[in-house]
Amino acid sequence: QVQLVQSGAEVKKPGSSVKVSCKASGGTFSTYSISWVRQAPGQGLEWMGGIIPVFGSANYAQKFQGRVTITADDSTNTVYMEMSSLRSEDAAVYYCARLISPGIAVAAADYWGQGTLVTVSS
Amino acid sequence: EIVMTQSPATLSVSPGERATLSCRASQSVGSNLAWYQQKPGQAPRLLIYGASTRATGIPARFSGSGSGTEFTLTISSLQSEDFAVYYCQKYNNWPPTFGQGTKVEIK
Repeated sequence: QVQLVQSGAEVKKPGSSVKVSCKASGGTFSTYSISWVRQAPGQGLEWMGGIIPVFGSANYAQKFQGRVTITADDSTNTVYMEMSSLRSEDAAVYYCARLISPGIAVAAADYWGQGTLVTVSS
Repeated sequence: EIVMTQSPATLSVSPGERATLSCRASQSVGSNLAWYQQKPGQAPRLLIYGASTRATGIPARFSGSGSGTEFTLTISSLQSEDFAVYYCQKYNNWPPTFGQGTKVEIK
């Protein structure tokens, strides 16, 4: 059974950076895209970007291009999402999710992490 | 960028009744449409992909239909555990975007 376990909650100051991890277990890691989706309090879901570890390069939604970096570490089956220049509107729950088909950057997501709450406050 | 619009925003349904949720795309997405269920404090759960294929372990009371720009999620007989927010998501091209959600509440 595939499991995605995310790192714990973070409290950050405006202008700083945050790095959230997502460790996969129980399935093939390198050929499935791991994507990041965020959800601001009381709001809907927003797709940020994703990476297929075997390919190494990430894709980003235009809104997050240049401010978000997604990387993968094959040796630990972990994907990271780092966001810089945090502002109050970045306060949200950040989810990682594995796409349903291997080798595809755009698909439905069938396995999700538990979410990581990022609070941005001075 | 393709915009996904869900209706209604809130649906009030009695247990045992049928619920019909709609999702409209601003351009055709073919059959590249998924539905998710989300309960408070939980991650989304994939219900349907390919517009009409139930994900593993999803009860048969959930069904999806449609193609192109018009899609429907039907819950044939609502159970207590089905009261939640439902999102559609298109994934025909980048970026994969979500609708704003439909909340299914107890009438």
